[in-house]
Amino acid sequence: GDSVTQMEGPVTLSEEAFLTINCTYTATGYPSLFWYVQYPGEGLQLLLKATKADDKGSNKGFEATYRKETTSFHLEKGSVQVSDSAVYFCAHKGADSWGKFQFGAGTQVVVTP
Amino acid sequence: DTAVSQTPKYLVTQMGNDKSIKCEQNLGHDTMYWYKQDSKKFLKIMFSYNNKELIINETVPNRFSPKSPDKAHLNLHINSLELGDSAVYFCASSLQGVQNNEQFFGPGTRLTVL
Repeated sequence: GDSVTQMEGPVTLSEEAFLTINCTYTATGYPSLFWYVQYPGEGLQLLLKATKADDKGSNKGFEATYRKETTSFHLEKGSVQVSDSAVYFCAHKGADSWGKFQFGAGTQVVVTP
Repeated sequence: DTAVSQTPKYLVTQMGNDKSIKCEQNLGHDTMYWYKQDSKKFLKIMFSYNNKELIINETVPNRFSPKSPDKAHLNLHINSLELGDSAVYFCASSLQGVQNNEQFFGPGTRLTVL
């Protein structure tokens, strides 16, 4: 069945370091792919998305590219800030318009000054 | 202009009690969801309603009963609360029929069962 696998956390970084969170998926067809962020004490909010192969989603300095050949959607940011400390969720939505959402287990990121 | 709202934000109660959590969305979406997030941040889908009809019902104890009076509301009633029900519960909504539409989440309800 469809699934999303992302790297386990916590990931601890110093401010201005480079962040990568790996995400791979299994699905039939071409699902839409998403990254959500959850700040402490809040709900999930959409960070970025990509809807077809080779699309790049970007927002707030974060980027992720839809790689069909490797079924991946890795999240990257070149220089993290303390305010980026949060839990990040990779997700996909099935290829048809009634596709079901599937979330990864979440990766906690801790950025220290 | 809150998009997805939930009440209450915190709920502390004793084992065996019955409680409800309410959810409302003003986005004009036709599909709403309930998720349970455990202490390790794992997100588990519980229910989904489309146009007031139940479309997803994962393996959830029947002490949990969702109710959708209209497309904009999806409430969750929990009977005979147990310690293991302590978690954060999130409501979400989306527009089905559009492949790339994301889900919008509420702020969560932290339920603590003593």
